[in-house]
Amino acid sequence: EAQVTQNPRYLITVTGKKLTVTCSQNMNHEYMSWYRQDPGLGLRQIYYSMNVEVTDKGDVPEGYKVSRKEKRNFPLILESPSPNQTSLYFCASLSGANVLTFGAGSRLTVL
Amino acid sequence: LAKTTQPISMDSYEGQEVNITCSHNNIATNDYITWYQQFPSQGPRFIIQGYKTKVTNEVASLFIPADRKSSTLSLPRVSLSDTAVYYCLVGAIKTGANNLFFGTGTRLTVIP
Repeated sequence: EAQVTQNPRYLITVTGKKLTVTCSQNMNHEYMSWYRQDPGLGLRQIYYSMNVEVTDKGDVPEGYKVSRKEKRNFPLILESPSPNQTSLYFCASLSGANVLTFGAGSRLTVL
Repeated sequence: LAKTTQPISMDSYEGQEVNITCSHNNIATNDYITWYQQFPSQGPRFIIQGYKTKVTNEVASLFIPADRKSSTLSLPRVSLSDTAVYYCLVGAIKTGANNLFFGTGTRLTVIP
């Protein structure tokens, strides 16, 4: 089944403790992206990647890092999480038909 | 970079047709217009996509005028299960697909 898989789905952590949210897609898509969703603000893009080793900032990149060493994986890294990064995070990949497929989401709480 | 503007919310009674319009004044020649539906705590999912004129599938229709600066998602005879947030997204891999902006979306509430 074609899908985007994110892990963990839920995470509670403390300020400053580094964490990584993994994202993997099995559709051989070149484009992948991370979004965060907060009440009243819709989906805001954090980082995107056009292909392996090619990443760029989205709307709200501060406090996040990404890497794209292989086509299928696009992890989101929070080096020193802060409470304002408490949010629902979505990873997505884009098909050649310009359709985004989203993961199920990762709900992160930073205390 | 094409950004979009939609109404924040809409209410409709069951069985009615709902039309949600999205403005995208800076749409590029190669950009497609895609609509997504999102239920609480789930990722958005694809509903329909078009480039120009009208597109219809089993769940919705999409109307795009000749200038392509707006688009209208039409949901026929909505039911309670259509209560969700609807997003329009403009972009395409051919134009670089960079910064695919979702905006705040339209929260549709279907009333019994």
